[in-house]
Formats: sequence, C-alpha cells, structure tokens
Amino acid sequence: DAMVIQNPRYQVTQFGKPVTLSCSQTLNHNVMYWYQQKSSQAPKLLFHYYDKDFNNEADTPDNFQSRRPNTSFCFLDIRSPGLGDAAMYLCATSRRGQGDNQPQHFGDGTRLSIL
Amino acid sequence: AQSVTQPDIHITVSEGASLELRCNYSYGATPYLFWYVQSPGQGLQLLLKYFSGDTLVQGIKGFEAEFKRSQSSFNLRKPSVHWSDAAEYFCAVGAFRAASKLTFGTGTRLQVTL
Repeated sequence: DAMVIQNPRYQVTQFGKPVTLSCSQTLNHNVMYWYQQKSSQAPKLLFHYYDKDFNNEADTPDNFQSRRPNTSFCFLDIRSPGLGDAAMYLCATSRRGQGDNQPQHFGDGTRLSIL
Repeated sequence: AQSVTQPDIHITVSEGASLELRCNYSYGATPYLFWYVQSPGQGLQLLLKYFSGDTLVQGIKGFEAEFKRSQSSFNLRKPSVHWSDAAEYFCAVGAFRAASKLTFGTGTRLQVTL
C-alpha cells in the first residue's frame, strides 16, 4: 500500500544535541509537510516543500530546518533541541496540480523526547 | 485569516448512541473542509472531505458531515458509535489547490462508554 512512513517512531535526544527525523512516501506526491503537535494541541505547520521549493512558516524558529533530497524523502533537522521542542512531529504529503484538490496524507509521527 | 473552532473539547457518548461533533470555520473564500481522526500515538487519518457539490458528504467508518454555508459549519455525525471510535477528532480548513495550508481546530476528544 502506498503510504507515508516516519522513522523512528520514538526519538530521545539530549538538550542541545542535533537530531534528524525522517519521512518517506510512496504516493509520489509533490508536496511534503512537517507539523509539530504538542500534547492535547492541534498540529502546527512548520514548513512544506512544493517539489523543491521550500516554504517556511513565518513563526517557525530558525532552530528547525528541512531537507528534501528527492521526491520520496524529506528530513526535519532540529539543530539545538530545547525542552520546549518535545512533541510529536508529523509528516504529511499531498498532490498539488491544476484543479487537483487532494487532501493531505499523514504518517504515524515521531515522538521526540528531550533529556 | 482562516480559523476553525471546535467548541467541544471533550465529549462522552455511550456505545450505540448517535454522535455529532461541531466545527465552525472562518474563511474568506470557498473553503475546503476536512475531518481527521487521531488515535493515541498515531498520525492523522482522513475521515472525509468537502470541496464542492452535495453538502452532505460520506466518509469512512460510517461517518458523514454536512456543510452549511449559512452557518459556517461542517459538523461530523455518526448514527451509532462504536467503542473503537474513541479518539481525537480534528476539523480543518484549507485553501484551493491541494489545501497547501491547513488550519486545524483544537480537536475534540471522544470517549465512548460501554
């Protein structure tokens, strides 16, 4: 089945130690998104890629970066994680085209803990 | 700016009872509306979506939602709830072209009693 896969499901890192979260997709979607979801809150969009074009949300901290080396993969890099960055990180994909209004498909998320 | 309000933070229903989860949106143009469900520790699964056409849309797992433009609402319904429906439900509104920027409501947590 075509899907969105996030690895790892659980990630523990130390305060200030860089961490990378991974997302891959077999849907061949041209848009990939990263969301941050804190406990009992709605997902908050950090940024998205439309093909190779990176679109950062205005309030996303500089500590968060992303890479999309090819259509299938997208990475979230947190350069110096703080305690406030502990959250579930969700990757999503969608297809954008003329008149093609497809919904976003989500992975199961990576739960990040900071020690 | 677009926004979504889910007025009920937490709802408890008995198994077999009917369910309605409320969603109100604010959007300057024709909205694209979605309901997602999230089980604990999982990602979001799409239940249904509304782009245009028939204002009553059917989704997976026996859910349906009705778009009411005059009330700016997109309420989710299910005639008979199952224990496995216990989860967090998110309403979201997006723009044209693949809803590239979704705005989510704060969610409604559904608890089902046996």
